[in-house]
Amino acid sequence: EVQMLESGGGLVQPGGSLRLSCAASGFTFSNYVVSWVRQAPGKGLEWVSSISSRGDSTYYADSVKGRFSISRDNSKNTLYLQMNSLRTEDTAVYYCAVLHGSAGYWGQGTLVTVSS
Amino acid sequence: QSALTQPRSVSGSPGQSVTISCTGTSSDVGGYNYVSWYQQHPGQAPKLMIYDVNKRPSGVPDRFSGSKSGNTASLAISGLQAEDEADYYCCSYAGSYSYVFGTGTTVTVL
Repeated sequence: EVQMLESGGGLVQPGGSLRLSCAASGFTFSNYVVSWVRQAPGKGLEWVSSISSRGDSTYYADSVKGRFSISRDNSKNTLYLQMNSLRTEDTAVYYCAVLHGSAGYWGQGTLVTVSS
Repeated sequence: QSALTQPRSVSGSPGQSVTISCTGTSSDVGGYNYVSWYQQHPGQAPKLMIYDVNKRPSGVPDRFSGSKSGNTASLAISGLQAEDEADYYCCSYAGSYSYVFGTGTTVTVL
């Protein structure tokens, strides 16, 4: 069974940092480009970042560029998102996902709340 | 990186058909045949319904179909059922491993 399980969310003050993890199982994680997608409360989906299958190329939405960093450890089948200089507008459920092709793998999300 | 434009809501009676549009630019929808559609019920993760413009993953009913013309993609749902009531999002590849989502459409079954 395919699973993508996010963790690391929580409450953080503006300007703070948080590191999200996404543990994948049930498929060959190292074969896929994987992404982070977020959804603010009551709002739509927003692509945040993607990383190539080998981890040697990374891409970011303008809204997080310079503040967030995506990485992966294929030996551990795990995706990461380091979030620094957090803002109130970063408050959202963060999903890890495979967006390309027929896979359609998504986690259940982890909530990040940025508030003082 | 502007969001793709979708109608805020569409509705139909059981058994009817509805169509959701998704308008982008030549840099995303019009530039690649990599448009996907997701269904999201409240409190749940999105579910892939269509990928590569018009392909259905296994397990998705053939009542769901996708198409594209120029910078606009569309999702059609025929034989509308109560369980189809949900939010729907389009998503397009935009080059260099970047993606852009649509603004989202709420489908209501009357």
